[in-house]
Amino acid sequence: QKEVEQNSGPLSVPEGAIASLNCTYSDRGSQSFFWYRQYSGKSPELIMSIYSNGDKEDGRFTAQLNKASQYVSLLIRDSQPSDSATYLCAVSRGGGYNKLIFGAGTRLAVHP
Amino acid sequence: SAVISQKPSRDICQRGTSLTIQCQVDSQVTMMFWYRQQPGQSLTLIATANQGSEATYESGFVIDKFPISRPNLTFSTLTVSNMSPEDSSIYLCSVEAGGLQDTQYFGPGTRLTVL
Repeated sequence: QKEVEQNSGPLSVPEGAIASLNCTYSDRGSQSFFWYRQYSGKSPELIMSIYSNGDKEDGRFTAQLNKASQYVSLLIRDSQPSDSATYLCAVSRGGGYNKLIFGAGTRLAVHP
Repeated sequence: SAVISQKPSRDICQRGTSLTIQCQVDSQVTMMFWYRQQPGQSLTLIATANQGSEATYESGFVIDKFPISRPNLTFSTLTVSNMSPEDSSIYLCSVEAGGLQDTQYFGPGTRLTVL
């Protein structure tokens, strides 16, 4: 079992729709959770961090965390073609153990 | 966040040679990280570099192949030694910054091709 699992996609959504990206992790001791966006040929860009169970909203992005189910998701509302990228889920145990474990990424394609 | 630069941005090297990649940050940071992203793959941590101590390497990565220096709080280098085509990857440095727990920001990366 991979430590952090994501559906590789591609996830194809029409412009204006909600894109839902999912991630599961195996380490119950994980404390910090991140979503990065990576455009082709570019480095990862942090878009969301979440540390507590529940929802965290930032503009069109909402991160959702359920530690009991070991599940974290990212919702993108009003998806735009510029959102087309690979979204990487990353997890850390925190508490001074700073290593990030990345999932393989989900490729999102938003079509007009 | 932090502004991170890497040199070179890309290089094409011959088998058996070595390349040193530089990572510069615009502010002092305690922890710097080096990752590898092979074509079509996700990021794999190579090592963690703290100023004033030896780098900590992840399983599958050794100091002889990937020596790291961390001379001060704003700079680090990663050397890829005795390169083979399998070392063709994007190499990324990242730093922990911004005050949020475990939050890492990435440099632009170095695209390495080994012939």
